Amino acid sequence: KAGVTQTPRYLIKTRGQQVTLSCSPISGHRSVSWYQQTPGQGLQFLFEYFSETQRNKGNFPGRFSGRQFSNSRSEMNVSTLELGDSALYLCASSLERQGNEQFFGPGTRLTVL
Amino acid sequence: GNSVTQMEGPVTLSEEAFLTINCTYTATGYPSLFWYVQYPGEGLQLLLKATKADDKGSNKGFEATYRKETTSFHLEKGSVQVSDSAVYFCALSVGSGNTPLVFGKGTRLSVIA
Repeated sequence: KAGVTQTPRYLIKTRGQQVTLSCSPISGHRSVSWYQQTPGQGLQFLFEYFSETQRNKGNFPGRFSGRQFSNSRSEMNVSTLELGDSALYLCASSLERQGNEQFFGPGTRLTVL
Repeated sequence: GNSVTQMEGPVTLSEEAFLTINCTYTATGYPSLFWYVQYPGEGLQLLLKATKADDKGSNKGFEATYRKETTSFHLEKGSVQVSDSAVYFCALSVGSGNTPLVFGKGTRLSVIA
């Protein structure tokens, strides 16, 4: 069974631009979560989608948004990029009611110049 | 709130040495506890988990026991290998279903031959 895939793997943007990251969950997984990983703050939860609805949300500004499609694929968008948005963005998928076991993708490394 | 504290790294060990990485937690409610591992350039992989007090999670020679009385979930391995070099994250999740993971800051382990 294929794992969680994320595209692109690397991205370089400049301040003020916007970016869209994509995540394809494991087949059959309907829950997709996004995390931001930085050296200073560590791993922080952004949001979780289930059946095309945002079910949980972390403490990030409104510039960070996401959505999920009917095939469970998810995208996250960051508008008006800031230098501090440079991070590894990780996507994780899980089955409904599978305890809390989440399977992570390799991440998208975003660099904001 | 919910939080996880794990020992600061980096930890450097010789091959076949004994490993302990300390993890303590604070949680409102009864958490599930996890250890994730991140190899260079990759996403996170679930290493082991425990969902109730006194449970022992184990995988690939690693073990951790859920200690409710000391709110701890220390990771141990009897004999580390060079291939164990990675960053290890302790995490918790409170509630049923797919609730967000709360991570510790991570501990980098380097094993030298």
